[in-house]
Amino acid sequence: AQSVTQLGSHVSVSEGALVLLRCNYSSSVPPYLFWYVQYPNQGLQLLLKYTSAATLVKGINGFEAEFKKSETSFHLTKPSAHMSDAAEYFCAVTRKAAGNKLTFGGGTRVLVKP
Amino acid sequence: GAGVSQSPSNKVTEKGKDVELRCDPISGHTALYWYRQRLGQGLEFLIYFQGNSAPDKSGLPSDRFSAERTGESVSTLTIQRTQQEDSAVYLCASSSASGQGSYEQYFGPGTRLTVT
Repeated sequence: AQSVTQLGSHVSVSEGALVLLRCNYSSSVPPYLFWYVQYPNQGLQLLLKYTSAATLVKGINGFEAEFKKSETSFHLTKPSAHMSDAAEYFCAVTRKAAGNKLTFGGGTRVLVKP
Repeated sequence: GAGVSQSPSNKVTEKGKDVELRCDPISGHTALYWYRQRLGQGLEFLIYFQGNSAPDKSGLPSDRFSAERTGESVSTLTIQRTQQEDSAVYLCASSSASGQGSYEQYFGPGTRLTVT
């Protein structure tokens, strides 16, 4: 079985400040981990993914995430928030044996204050 | 190229009616997934198709839900005798099961279903 926990359903950051979204996972086998972003009334867009290569993964729009096996974490960061980062972010886990079906966290909605 | 498309974008139906939701995956993608996103919640896996293999239906919440896929193309998700708790956004995704570690799923814009 696999599961994902995202700490904080809502996060508010000031424009230019660090964005940190937390994701912890549980998986009985090495996981593949993803961060997706969902803008209002749109589908999900992949930000970045970890598939057992480099533990520090860089994605689109200046986001990056670090896979830490010892902490079972895959936190998402961006050094400087932009107004356009306001959206909902989902962490997801899968493994090849699961047919790649994704298990999602509950999501974190990011508000960016000017 | 074209992404994943879904229709209709919005559907309002009366409790007890049947609905069909359609998904057109990216051409050449052998894997297709359906997820449900209820208001204020994360996404729940519903069903997964991979090529000609039997679908993984382990996420379907009840026998009122069913899905079909024609070859490696269009899929329809059918909900019979809809209930108010079926109100959600239904998202379809497809991926290329290339076996090269390409596990990214590409999502459609979703169908917002409202059961009154």
